[in-house]
Amino acid sequence: QVQLQQWGAGLLKPSETLSLTCAVYGGSFSGYYWSWIRQTPGKGLEWIGEINHSGSTNYNPSLKSRVTISVDTSKNQFSLKLSSVTAADTAVYYCGRGNNYGGRSGIAFDIWGQGTMVTVSS
Amino acid sequence: DIQMTQSPSSLSASVGDRVTVTCRASQSISSYLNWYQQKPGKAPKLLIYAASSLQSGVPSRFSGSGSGTDFTLTISSLQPEDFATYYCQQSYIPPRTFGQGTKVEIK
Repeated sequence: QVQLQQWGAGLLKPSETLSLTCAVYGGSFSGYYWSWIRQTPGKGLEWIGEINHSGSTNYNPSLKSRVTISVDTSKNQFSLKLSSVTAADTAVYYCGRGNNYGGRSGIAFDIWGQGTMVTVSS
Repeated sequence: DIQMTQSPSSLSASVGDRVTVTCRASQSISSYLNWYQQKPGKAPKLLIYAASSLQSGVPSRFSGSGSGTDFTLTISSLQPEDFATYYCQQSYIPPRTFGQGTKVEIK
């Protein structure tokens, strides 16, 4: 059974860089889109971006200038960096597996990490 | 970006009721629509993908329908464990966007 486990700093100061990592256990790393999604009470669920096993990325244009998603296939891990954070970046951050069911559908997030609460405060 | 609008924002229902949640896209998304269930403090769980395909392990009382811009999630007989918030998500084009959620509460 595939599981995602994520970790990273939960308290940041404004202007710092958010850094989270997600490890994939129990399944293949290739053939999927490894994603980051965040959730706030005000804006709901917001897709941040995704990466595949070969390193090809897609980012949300609203965050693109500050986001970097990278992959380490040797460790079955992928990571998120979000620079110059502000209070507006306070959220629960999730990693997720994007699955297109062998090309039969669009991307659905079928497996999620446990979530990391990230607070930005001076 | 494609905007996803759910209705209602919340509803009250009783165990055994048939419940319907609607999601509308701001442009046609064919059948590229997914549904999730989220309980407090937990990550969302995929219920339905490609508008009507039931995710493995999800009870058959959940079903999805629709195409183009209008979609529906139906729970045929609401169970106690179904009280949660439900989200739709379009997978037609990036950025992948979600609806604002529909909270299903106990009447």
